[in-house]
Amino acid sequence: QSALTQPRSVSGSPGQSVTISCTGTSSDVGGYKYVSWYQQYPGKAPKLIIYDVNKRPSGVPDRFSGSKSGNTASLIISGLQAEDEADYYCCSYAGTYNYVFGTGTQVTFL
Amino acid sequence: QVQLVESGGGVVQPGGSLRLSCAASGFSFSSYAMHWVRQAPGKGLEWVAVISYDGSNKYYADSVKGRFTISRDNSKNTLFVQMDSLRDEDTAVYYCARPSGSYYSDPFDYWGQGNLVTVSS
Repeated sequence: QSALTQPRSVSGSPGQSVTISCTGTSSDVGGYKYVSWYQQYPGKAPKLIIYDVNKRPSGVPDRFSGSKSGNTASLIISGLQAEDEADYYCCSYAGTYNYVFGTGTQVTFL
Repeated sequence: QVQLVESGGGVVQPGGSLRLSCAASGFSFSSYAMHWVRQAPGKGLEWVAVISYDGSNKYYADSVKGRFTISRDNSKNTLFVQMDSLRDEDTAVYYCARPSGSYYSDPFDYWGQGNLVTVSS
C-alpha cells in the first residue's frame, strides 16, 4: 500500500485560509468515508482533528474542516493562527484491516 | 483521563529483537482494539499493526509481517509488540494508539508519547 500524496508544505498569512490535499486511490480514499486528519508538533504525538472526512472531535476549533471528492480528500484551515503551524497527516482506512497515512504537509506562515 | 505510556525502546543491532510495551489507563482497555503506528526520523507516519479487543485477531503492515508480533494482556491493561529480525529501516518512534470506537475503521483518538527504537550496529 503506497502512502497517500500530500503537498510537502503550504504557507499562508495569519487570518488566511489554506487547503491541504490528500490524494489516494479508489482502494483507500475514494473507496471509504473513513478519512481522518492529524496535527503534529515537533517531538509530540499526533492529535486527531478531523475524522470520517468532515467531522470534528470535541474541542477542535471550527476553523478546521474536511471534505472529499473522488480519490482526493482535503483539509481546510480557515483563519490561520500562529498555533496552526505544524505538520498535518491524512489517513484513510483501506479495507481488510489496513490503514494508510499521507506523506505529511508542513504548514508555515508567509 | 486516557493515558498510554510506551516503554522498552532503545538501541539494537540489525537482526536483533526488542519488545515494546504500552501501559493503558483511564478507559476500559479490554473493550478496545489497539494499534501500533511508527514514524521514522524526519518522515511520515506508518501504520504497523492492530489487535482486536480480546487478542483473537491480529493484522500487520506488509513491511513488518512475519517479523513483528502484536499482543496484549487485558489483565494488566498492557499492549505489546515483539520486534524480531530488526532492520535499519525499522528505526522509528513507535506509538501505541487507541481507536475512538469499536470498529476497525475508527480513527486514532488517543496516542502514547512515543518510544524511540534505533537499529544500528
